[in-house]
Amino acid sequence: DAKTTQPNSMESNEEEPVHLPCNHSTISGTDYIHWYRQLPSQGPEYVIHGLTSNVNNRMASLAIAEDRKSSTLILHRATLRDAAVYYCTRGKNFGNEKLTFGTGTRLTIIP
Amino acid sequence: GAVVSQHPSWVICKSGTSVKIECRSLDFQATTMFWYRQFPKQSLMLMATSNEGSKATYEQGVEKDKFLINHASLTLSTLTVTSAHPEDSSFYICSARDWRQGYGYTFGSGTRLTVV
Repeated sequence: DAKTTQPNSMESNEEEPVHLPCNHSTISGTDYIHWYRQLPSQGPEYVIHGLTSNVNNRMASLAIAEDRKSSTLILHRATLRDAAVYYCTRGKNFGNEKLTFGTGTRLTIIP
Repeated sequence: GAVVSQHPSWVICKSGTSVKIECRSLDFQATTMFWYRQFPKQSLMLMATSNEGSKATYEQGVEKDKFLINHASLTLSTLTVTSAHPEDSSFYICSARDWRQGYGYTFGSGTRLTVV
């Protein structure tokens, strides 16, 4: 899916913050940025989504660039359980638009 | 939060037989559900959009006669892999959207299909 671009893999030390980047240079004005993560042999799990402003929830923070062409998922204090493939995608926040996935970033947490 | 239940979690079948996978939205109604397939070490690939009370919409390259989708109620969609072959072995995942709390998409836990 060429709509978003992410690094194939990243590593981070346990208990340190992790910044996962995503480029979505062709995003339209009404597209939300979604992040999901997938642990081995499980379905994806919703992490966070947002439109323009930075968003926070109990799992993570989403920092969206002012021009909306990129975003960063921030895990404030990585744990071993955060090791997963993280997918950045985009979609409207209305209707039932299909969600497509790129290759994602495989995050490895080093103890 | 929204819960999508998928059953079975794994299944092994003989080549040439059919397998049905169920996807249920447990605490919300879903007029639309999505079916994905994922091969090892690869990303999710959207197969089809399941619409309650009408025909599913298949992505390009997905055989609609092989992957039968039925969405008979607002909480249940089924995917039937007909005349399964070893190359159909994959991880199948369903998804739906719950709008009650502005959530994104919720995914089932997946079904591992192995055709022998």
